[in-house]
Amino acid sequence: GQNIDQPTEMTATEGAIVQINCTYQTSGFNGLFWYQQHAGEAPTFLSYNVLDGLEEKGRFSSFLSRSKGYSYLLLKELQMKDSASYLCAVRDGNYQLIWGAGTKLIIKP
Amino acid sequence: EAGVVQSPRYKIIEKKQPVAFWCNPISGHNTLYWYRQNLGQGPELLIRYENEEAVDDSQLPKDRFSAERLKGVDSTLKIQPAELGDSAVYLCASSLVGSTSGANVLTFGAGSRLTVL
Repeated sequence: GQNIDQPTEMTATEGAIVQINCTYQTSGFNGLFWYQQHAGEAPTFLSYNVLDGLEEKGRFSSFLSRSKGYSYLLLKELQMKDSASYLCAVRDGNYQLIWGAGTKLIIKP
Repeated sequence: EAGVVQSPRYKIIEKKQPVAFWCNPISGHNTLYWYRQNLGQGPELLIRYENEEAVDDSQLPKDRFSAERLKGVDSTLKIQPAELGDSAVYLCASSLVGSTSGANVLTFGAGSRLTVL
């Protein structure tokens, strides 16, 4: 079956750096997405990786290794507003989006 | 530009009652998705439309759920009769192009939170 694994919850300190990992096993691969979802709100797009390597967007970076079925989202200079759930989603060989359960990130002062 | 608009935001009903959710996607987006999300879980696809056509409804519980997208724009999702296990957030999303083109980023609405008592 197809599967995406992410840690359920992580805690980090304001101003620090945190890395949220995502491993996947899918039938084929056509891109990996990271979305941010604040409590009670809609998921919003953060990043898209389809080739191996690091994509940087301001304080957020996303890395992909297709051979390892692995991605991470790196958040730098953490702010309290970064407290949210981070969802990893993979588009499989049939172009279907497979979603992880999300990682709840708690930022402490 | 308005985003994806959903209504109602919240709905509380008793089991066995019907309920309907409405979605207006971003103008020009031809692909529309209905997802269900339970607390602490990722979105679960219920149905995907390409224009007026439902191209993936394999996960839609067709005995009680129905959806339509008239004229390829707005969409409604209906549950009749509702069961206790249907309590969840129903998310609508839209995207500009079909799923085989580029990033095909989904834009989500704020969701409709359903509570079935």
